[in-house]
Parts: sequence; structure tokens; C-alpha cells
Amino acid sequence: QSALTQPASVSGSPGQSITISCTGTSSDVGGYNFVSWYQQHPGKAPKLMIYYVSNRPSGVSDRFSGSKSGNTASLTISGLQAEDEADYYCSSYTSSDTLVFGTGTRVTVL
Amino acid sequence: DVQLLESGGGLVQSGGSLRLSCVASGFSFNNYVVTWVRQAPGRGLEWVSLIDGSGGTKYYADSVKGRFTISRDNSKNTLYLQMNSLRAEDTAIYYCGREDYCSGTSCYHVEYWGQGTLVTVSS
Repeated sequence: QSALTQPASVSGSPGQSITISCTGTSSDVGGYNFVSWYQQHPGKAPKLMIYYVSNRPSGVSDRFSGSKSGNTASLTISGLQAEDEADYYCSSYTSSDTLVFGTGTRVTVL
Repeated sequence: DVQLLESGGGLVQSGGSLRLSCVASGFSFNNYVVTWVRQAPGRGLEWVSLIDGSGGTKYYADSVKGRFTISRDNSKNTLYLQMNSLRAEDTAIYYCGREDYCSGTSCYHVEYWGQGTLVTVSS
């Protein structure tokens, strides 16, 4: 159950687009479409942003989008805004009937 | 509105036990898979365990298997996590979460989260 690999930090200027990667294996990310993404602001509970690789829950801005290729999933934030500054975590179902989170990515808006 | 309220956290010595509770409201509790996720201070999220609506299916992370037990009382709309043989590395904020509705099985994503309860294990 090793954590999925994410970059420690990603930054961008307001209005730009950024992409966060989430790399696993064929036993998790690559084997199933149960990939989700969460946003977490300091001191707050996580918030679901994307589920089933690319689906957005009601109320989540369409500036957030998800995709997957092979063993790597990606979260793209377009039109970056100051409020997007937060930690982001991916998650995937695994072949061991468990869930695994990514290592987390700190997004900084310059 | 969906609400999840955790309680039961606190300071415990290494080797000790603690039981966390999560009271749910605003939805039909017995229809949903619920889960525990923890976050050590300054660290990332770690999935701990989940249980289906009937309580018949339970999954655990390897790091807690054999020490933690997840359960639910649908008559009380309450989720539990019994934690035994606690270790320093179990120190974390423990969040309970409700999954999306997936006809009784897990969707493997958490739609609603509680605010968490802090567990501190002293060595």
C-alpha cells in the first residue's frame, strides 16, 4: 500500500493553468477508474473535487478537470485563482480492496 | 444538510485503546458506505477503513489491520472505530467520511467529511 506519487509542489500565476500528476501502478490507478481528487485548505477537512477520474461533484467549478493515462492520473486547474491555493490529494482503489492516497501537492498561486 | 460529527479523540499512552464515534445526520445512514481517514500532524491523508451500509463488509489498511475495528450502529446513525494497541505513529486527526451513493457498495470516494477528532499517542 505505498502512497501514490505526486509532486510536492506546483505553482502558477493567476489565470494560468497547472497540472498535478498522480502516479501509481497497474494495481491501483492503472487498473481501475476509481480515481478521485481532494482539495484541502489549512486546518480544514478535505473537499472532493473529482471522482471516477474525470467527474465533478455538483458545485465544483468547471475550472477543475481530471484525466488518466496508463498508471498516471492528472488534475488540471485552469484559470488559476487565489482561492485555489491549497493542498491536493489523489486517491485510488487498489486490487487489495483498499484505498490509497497520494503524497499530496501544495499548489501556490504566485 | 449532511453532517458528520466525530468525537472520542484524546491523549492515550502507547499500547492503550480508544474508541472514536461519528454521529451522522441529514441522510439515510444505513444506505451509505462510511469511512475513516487520518492525517498525522503536517502530513498527508491516509485511508484507514471503510464499512458498507449493512456492516457486513469491512476493509482495513495494512497499517491498522488486526488493531483497529470499524463498526456501525444504524439505529443510532453512528460509526465507530475501536483502536487497540495504539502506537505513536497512530497520532493523527481522524476524519469520518460518507461516500457517494452507489447502491450499497463502495464508490471509493468520500463526498462528505466531518471536521475530525485528534488522537495523540504518547510514547
